[in-house]
Amino acid sequence: EIVLTQSPGTLSLSPGERATLSCRASQSVSSSYLAWYQQKPGQAPRLLIYGASSRATGIPDRFSGSGSGTDFTLTISRLEPEDFAVYYCQQYGSFVTFGQGTKVEIK
Amino acid sequence: QLQLQESGPGLVKPSETLSLTCTVSGGSITSSSYYWGWIRQPPGKGLEWIGSINYSGSTYYNPSLKSRVTISVDTSKKQFSLKLTSVTAADTAVYYCASGPYSSSWLDYWGQGTLVTVSS
Repeated sequence: EIVLTQSPGTLSLSPGERATLSCRASQSVSSSYLAWYQQKPGQAPRLLIYGASSRATGIPDRFSGSGSGTDFTLTISRLEPEDFAVYYCQQYGSFVTFGQGTKVEIK
Repeated sequence: QLQLQESGPGLVKPSETLSLTCTVSGGSITSSSYYWGWIRQPPGKGLEWIGSINYSGSTYYNPSLKSRVTISVDTSKKQFSLKLTSVTAADTAVYYCASGPYSSSWLDYWGQGTLVTVSS
């Protein structure tokens, strides 16, 4: 099983700041089969990024994904008030596993 | 726009079988473009993939749950279902149905989720 470790656990930032979230895999994720999701309290996860760097339909361009192999990053260029949430990475190269999440909170 | 809706009991007794159904609307459950899956999230914790199925009934399960899980599809009712046997308190979670383009893939459509509590 591929274990995904996200860091930091919590990121405290102000609106307008840049957020950088990390996802590290225990072994290489084939073909960059990695996705990112946003989840707000009481809601289902929302797909942001797939294939490590492709934005899902309707996702603003302030969200970007990068990385390959075992190290992946989600960047939010300028935080909007609605971006404060929990973010999960997911690999789908070998079955499916999720990271434990990073909470982006208002500083 | 594809829409998914979970339904089923909110309370299940230990050692019994958890059964949930997901109804699909806004798209065809027989489309080869979709796989249909289940994911769960214990209260305050992260996400766990349970498994997926396509319209022809081919299934793919999380190895850690495989011995207790059955996912099936009923195309006439536009539904797919989850059965999880021999449940314990550790199976208490919000259960989501979702869809993606492959058996193991990103998930671009999600139901709202339903909380299932395992308790006597």
